[in-house]
Amino acid sequence: NAGVTQTPKFRVLKTGQSMTLLCAQDMNHEYMYWYRQDPGMGLRLIHYSVGEGTTAKGEVPDGYNVSRLKKQNFLLGLESAAPSQTSVYFCASSFSRGQGMNTEAFFGQGTRLTVV
Amino acid sequence: AQSVTQLDSQVPVFEEAPVELRCNYSSSVSVYLFWYVQYPNQGLQLLLKYLSGSTLVKGINGFEAEFNKSQTSFHLRKPSVHISDTAEYFCAVSEANAGGTSYGKLTFGQGTILTVHP
Repeated sequence: NAGVTQTPKFRVLKTGQSMTLLCAQDMNHEYMYWYRQDPGMGLRLIHYSVGEGTTAKGEVPDGYNVSRLKKQNFLLGLESAAPSQTSVYFCASSFSRGQGMNTEAFFGQGTRLTVV
Repeated sequence: AQSVTQLDSQVPVFEEAPVELRCNYSSSVSVYLFWYVQYPNQGLQLLLKYLSGSTLVKGINGFEAEFNKSQTSFHLRKPSVHISDTAEYFCAVSEANAGGTSYGKLTFGQGTILTVHP
């Protein structure tokens, strides 16, 4: 059981380049999320999705786009990378047990992105 | 909107000593509470969670936490730590929303680095 898988694990981009981070989960979870982790700031929500074909903005969405064409996949895109986007990116998924009772989130191993 | 404050950015402790990692939160609605652990160069792993019921929650690896609603705290404790507990620990909250619109979104604290010395 793979859980949440992120690709790639590491990437170095030049300023202005674009890239897509892929997240795949095999737990049939409805909800998926992208967070970024920066030293001393914990994790902050970039975008999230509550189901196939839906996306919504989180706390720090600027400079990122997302798509969820299939329930198991959640893509994070950087159209024009900037040094401020140097970070570790985590994908996560979870599901609802109904009546607003959510479960914990399951996290991938992370993608370390450096923009030079 | 919620916020989470982890009161200590770093906690050094000797092996077999007890430890407490402190977490306070602020929210205008009821919340669910979580502690996650991150080992170097890895993802986040759930240690324990409070959804409802007993305010004393036991998790993996001998950790426990107590939800104190009046003090809006969720401190993590372990009576005797091991070298292998060296990691970064994150406290997180999500809204407990009967309408289901919080969608499990998490607000994290800044993290506490626990270093266990021999």
